[in-house]
Amino acid sequence: AQSVAQPEDQVNVAEGNPLTVKCTYSVSGNPYLFWYVQYPNRGLQFLLKYITGDNLVKGSYGFEAEFNKSQTSFHLKKPSALVSDSALYFCAAKAAGNKLTFGGGTRVLVKP
Amino acid sequence: GAGVSQSPSNKVTEKGKDVELRCDPISGHTALYWYRQSLGQGLEFLIYFQGNSAPDKSGLPSDRFSAERTGGSVSTLTIQRTQQEDSAVYLCASSLSPVISGNTIYFGEGSWLTVV
Repeated sequence: AQSVAQPEDQVNVAEGNPLTVKCTYSVSGNPYLFWYVQYPNRGLQFLLKYITGDNLVKGSYGFEAEFNKSQTSFHLKKPSALVSDSALYFCAAKAAGNKLTFGGGTRVLVKP
Repeated sequence: GAGVSQSPSNKVTEKGKDVELRCDPISGHTALYWYRQSLGQGLEFLIYFQGNSAPDKSGLPSDRFSAERTGGSVSTLTIQRTQQEDSAVYLCASSLSPVISGNTIYFGEGSWLTVV
């Protein structure tokens, strides 16, 4: 079975400090990996994706993620977090067939 | 349109009633998905449409749930005889072609369903 794990339910970070949200995956074949962000009472917004090529992917709002095949990880990072980055973050991977399988989500709280 | 449009944005219904949720995908997107997000839960795949192919219904939780996509565009998710456990946010998404090709899936704002 294909799966995505986000081991932390919540991440707390001070504004200006680096932010990391962890994601590991179990997908057969070459994975397509995605990060989405959800603000309160909103839908999901696409941040970035890894399809092929450079392992470091840059996305919206200063976020980036690093694909690590040996560790089957795709951690989301931001060098300097903002209070406005407080939201729910989802990692997703291409599953069998055509649908994305999502992790359980990680709530990020950035404190001033 | 500019994005995936869903209606209604909020729906409160009585237990046992039927509800219909509508999704209008991004123009030109051939793939359409429905997901469900229950309170405090992650995202649960429900159904996937691609062009004229038979839909992937593998995520529908019971036979009370059905969906159709007319003319390859607008989709309607129908829940019959609603139960309280159906209360959730129903998210529609679309992409240019199947995500198997790596295309991004774009989500709507969701339809918030409350069954009382």
